[in-house]
Amino acid sequence: DTGVSQDPRHKITKRGQNVTFRCDPISEHNRLYWYRQTLGQGPEFLTYFQNEAQLEKSRLLSDRFSAERPKGSFSTLEIQRTEQGDSAMYLCASSSSLSGDFSGYTFGSGTRLTVV
Amino acid sequence: AQSVTQPDIHITVSEGASLELRCNYSYGATPYLFWYVQSPGQGLQLLLKYFSGDTLVQGIKGFEAEFKRSQSSFNLRKPSVHWSDAAEYFCAVGVFSNTGKLIFGQGTTLQVKP
Repeated sequence: DTGVSQDPRHKITKRGQNVTFRCDPISEHNRLYWYRQTLGQGPEFLTYFQNEAQLEKSRLLSDRFSAERPKGSFSTLEIQRTEQGDSAMYLCASSSSLSGDFSGYTFGSGTRLTVV
Repeated sequence: AQSVTQPDIHITVSEGASLELRCNYSYGATPYLFWYVQSPGQGLQLLLKYFSGDTLVQGIKGFEAEFKRSQSSFNLRKPSVHWSDAAEYFCAVGVFSNTGKLIFGQGTTLQVKP
């Protein structure tokens, strides 16, 4: 088990461009989460998948953001028309609903986005 | 609404000194509580967690935390700090629902003086 993998680790983009991040959870985990962490702040919940179903979205997830988990395995987070305020660390986490709500909750190393 | 407060944004301690990082939470039921550590540019590493039972929880790297329901606190402690402990520390509460999301405090940055 290689843990939760995120790609890329760093992304620099120009304002107005679209970006897409990928998260590969731990293989047996059916739950997947996206969080956003801005400088000097704790992570904030963005969205949650159970298998391929997106079951909760934060109000932080504006209509420029979209997340998918098409086959219940990896997930992608896309930001359209990026703004400087989107600069942050985007963290992915996974867990299993079979082992209790929070057992095995594991974070990836994150994707750091810089919008210039 | 659920929330987590870490009153100390930045703490500096000398190497070998004891450490206590404060965490207060607001949650309507018995909370699931966590402490994570984050080194610069890295993801979050779980130090310890409290679900139920013994209110004094032992974690990795010599850390422990005590759950005090009457004070709505879950403070992190270490008897002797090492230079490698310099990092950012986050307290979090787990929202017991169908989602299992975490709500984090804003973090405490620990600096260790030689």
